[in-house]
Amino acid sequence: EVQLVQSGAEVKKPGESLRISCKGSGYPFTSYWINWVRQMPGKGLEWMGRIDPSDSQSNYSPSFQGHVTVSVDKSISTAYLRWGSLKASDTAIYYCARVRYSSDSSFIYWGQGTLVSVSS
Amino acid sequence: EIVLTQSPGTLSLSPGERAILSCRASQSVSSNYLAWYQQKGGQAPRLLIYGASSRAAGIPDRFSGGGSGTDFTLTISRLEPEDFAVYYCQHYGRAQYTFGQGTKLEIK
Repeated sequence: EVQLVQSGAEVKKPGESLRISCKGSGYPFTSYWINWVRQMPGKGLEWMGRIDPSDSQSNYSPSFQGHVTVSVDKSISTAYLRWGSLKASDTAIYYCARVRYSSDSSFIYWGQGTLVSVSS
Repeated sequence: EIVLTQSPGTLSLSPGERAILSCRASQSVSSNYLAWYQQKGGQAPRLLIYGASSRAAGIPDRFSGGGSGTDFTLTISRLEPEDFAVYYCQHYGRAQYTFGQGTKLEIK
């Protein structure tokens, strides 16, 4: 069974750094891109960026470029999303999602989401 | 950047009725790269349709997708109580992805 299991909820202060994780299992982790999606409270879905676990090639939405960093540790089948300096506006649920196939990039498998709360 | 506009913002229907949700792209997109997702409160989204018209595994056949170019639709032929949720279209391609703003399907 394919699973993406994300790290738990975080409560942080503005200016702090944070890294959340997404561990894949039940499939060859390096064969499928992992994407990150933001959902602010009561709002819609926003694509943030993606990473190819085989070689760490990454792409970002212009809206998130420079503010977050995606990475992977393929030895433990885990993808990461990192902030260097959080803002209150980063308060949201963050999902990781795996593409269906290398030739079809719809998001077939999703993590359960990680709630990040940023407040002074 | 391709912008996806979904309509209506909210759709109020009764179980058993047909729902038609619209997704319009700001420029022509390949049908191969248009997907629809369902999201229920407090849950992760679920893939319904990929390639504009192909149902994902396990999705009931009352869900169907169609369209091409700039206009796409998601049709739910006969609403079940569990279908009331928020629906998003998504374009994927050229290393960039875009979601529509969503349509809330609520019980009338």
